Amino acid sequence: NFMLTQPHSVSESPGKTVTISCTRSSGSIASNYVQWYQQRPGSSPTTVIYEDNQRPSGVPDRFSGSIDSSSNSASLTISGLKTEDEADYYCQSYDSSNQVFGGGTKLTVL
Amino acid sequence: EVQLVESGGGLVQPGGSLRLSCAASGFTFSSYWMHWVRQAPGKGLVWVSRINSDGSSTSYADSVKGRFTISRDNAKNTLYLQMNSLRAEDTAVYYCASGGSYLYAHWGQGTLVTVSS
Repeated sequence: NFMLTQPHSVSESPGKTVTISCTRSSGSIASNYVQWYQQRPGSSPTTVIYEDNQRPSGVPDRFSGSIDSSSNSASLTISGLKTEDEADYYCQSYDSSNQVFGGGTKLTVL
Repeated sequence: EVQLVESGGGLVQPGGSLRLSCAASGFTFSSYWMHWVRQAPGKGLVWVSRINSDGSSTSYADSVKGRFTISRDNAKNTLYLQMNSLRAEDTAVYYCASGGSYLYAHWGQGTLVTVSS
């Protein structure tokens, strides 16, 4: 089984850009798609990125996803930060037998 | 509008059983994979189980294998999770989610399961 490791927390000011990393412990990050979910306090998760870099309809283009095979990691980048972006963010991927979430990153916009 | 509404959570003693339901509407339920994902209080998301569109294929996290059973009734647009031999560590909010085999496009509001004596 592999793990996905995220930073526990990040913080940035409104209007700035923040990047959240997600590192896969074994197996290639490029072998299986990575998704990103946003969970605001007291709410259910919602999808902000699927299949590495695709945005569902309704998600602003301030949200973008990428993968880096050299570091075996995926990244979620949020530009033009707004206070409403303050939430927990989870990466997720899979292999033939498991579906795995990262531990989550708390984004503070202050 | 896609709606997923979970029900069936509650307080149960260790070793007990519960059956969760997830009523789906606003999309063609029989065309999509369905998943259960749980979140212990103050903790992160953990995948529990999935089932394919016609119910012929299921899979489970190691932590629940042999104790939980996922099923669906496409005629009733409803997903189920039968949970037996419950343990304290199964305490969590349980979400149902619709999507593909490896991603969760839409999520319900969750139902809380508390395992305690």
